[in-house]
Formats: sequence, structure tokens, C-alpha cells
Amino acid sequence: EPEVTQTPSHQVTQMGQEVILRCVPISNHLYFYWYRQILGQKVEFLVSFYNNEISEKSEIFDDQFSVERPDGSNFTLKIRSTKLEDSAMYFCASSVMGRGNTEAFFGQGTRLTVV
Amino acid sequence: QQQVKQSPQSLIVQKGGIPIINCAYENTAFDYFPWYQQFPGKGPALLIAIRPDVSEKKEGRFTISFNKSAKQFSLHIMDSQPGDSATYFCAASRGITGGGNKLTFGTGTQLKVEL
Repeated sequence: EPEVTQTPSHQVTQMGQEVILRCVPISNHLYFYWYRQILGQKVEFLVSFYNNEISEKSEIFDDQFSVERPDGSNFTLKIRSTKLEDSAMYFCASSVMGRGNTEAFFGQGTRLTVV
Repeated sequence: QQQVKQSPQSLIVQKGGIPIINCAYENTAFDYFPWYQQFPGKGPALLIAIRPDVSEKKEGRFTISFNKSAKQFSLHIMDSQPGDSATYFCAASRGITGGGNKLTFGTGTQLKVEL
């Protein structure tokens, strides 16, 4: 069964450092997303991406964050100058289409710990 | 108005019981209501979803009941099993042609099914 894969599974970084979280969406999917989940809290939308541009972003997704699809398979989330409050589980997701009634498949997540 | 409220926060039932998890929303533009199941260390996985043009949907032991006028929907798990022990999230999104499928998640319910 096709799946969304994320690397690394766990990333520890020092405050102020830049991190890049990587995702390989399902191959025939056209829409890509990043969500985050702070420990014990709900899953929160960060950004959606289609046709090589951001289609929607939340208020969390400020200038510190950026996304990129550097090649035909990878989708990355970059966090510049990480803060302690960026510590969370980051989930990548993808869907075939962007309409609200198509399933978003989630990866297993990258746990980011900022120390 | 973008929030989805979920209750209870945690739930313990005996094997064979019928746990019920409730969600409520405010935004009438939402038109897709999925439920996600999440096991520890894993990403959310779609369990079942409903559109507001139906009042109930069943898939196996899982049933969604939807009350459009009350803007509420709930998940019922029939004949619950210990393997159903997980965190359940309700979510909602708007069907946007050509746009992203931004999911707004509830706060989650930790379900434990005891033998």
C-alpha cells in the first residue's frame, strides 16, 4: 500500500538553528500539506501546497517557515532559527485532489525537539 | 468560528461496549467531516468520513451520526475491542475547488478499551 514517508523520525536541534524536515508524498498525489502536533494537543494545519506554490497557510506559518518541492518526489519544510516552542511532531500529508472530500494520507511524523 | 470542539477528552469502556465521541462545529462552510485514528508514534489515519447530505454512515463497526441543524457529529464504535484503544480526532474541512484540503482537527479523545 502506498504511504507517505517522512525523515528523520526524530530530530534534535539547538535553539536558533535551521532544520529541514523531509517528506516523500504518495506518487500520484497532487496536494501536499504540513501539520504539527504539540505533545498532548490537537493536530494543527500549517500549510498546503499545490502546483509548486502555497495554496493556503495558517497564522502559525510565519516567515520562519518555508516549504519547497525541490524535485519530483520530495516535499520539505524548513524552519529557520528554531525556537523552543517549535518542539512538536510534524506530519506531512498528501491527497490526490484538494477538494474537501478526498482523503489526506499522513506520514508517521518527525518529532522535532528544540533544546 | 474555525474551531471544532470534541468531547470527551478521554474515555474508558469495557470490551464489547459502545464508546461515543462527540464533535461540534460553528463554520457552516464545512462540508466534509472525517474521523482519524492515531496510535502512539504514528500519524493520523482516516477511519471514516461523512458529508452533510447524509445523517449516518456505517463502515464495519464504526458509525458516524451527523446532525446538520445542530452542527454536531459523533463517532460510535460498536463491539469495541482492545485493539481500538487509540486517540480519535474528528476533523472538518471546506470543499474548495482547486484548493487545498485544510483539515481543522478537534482536540482528540483518548480511548481505552479494557478486557
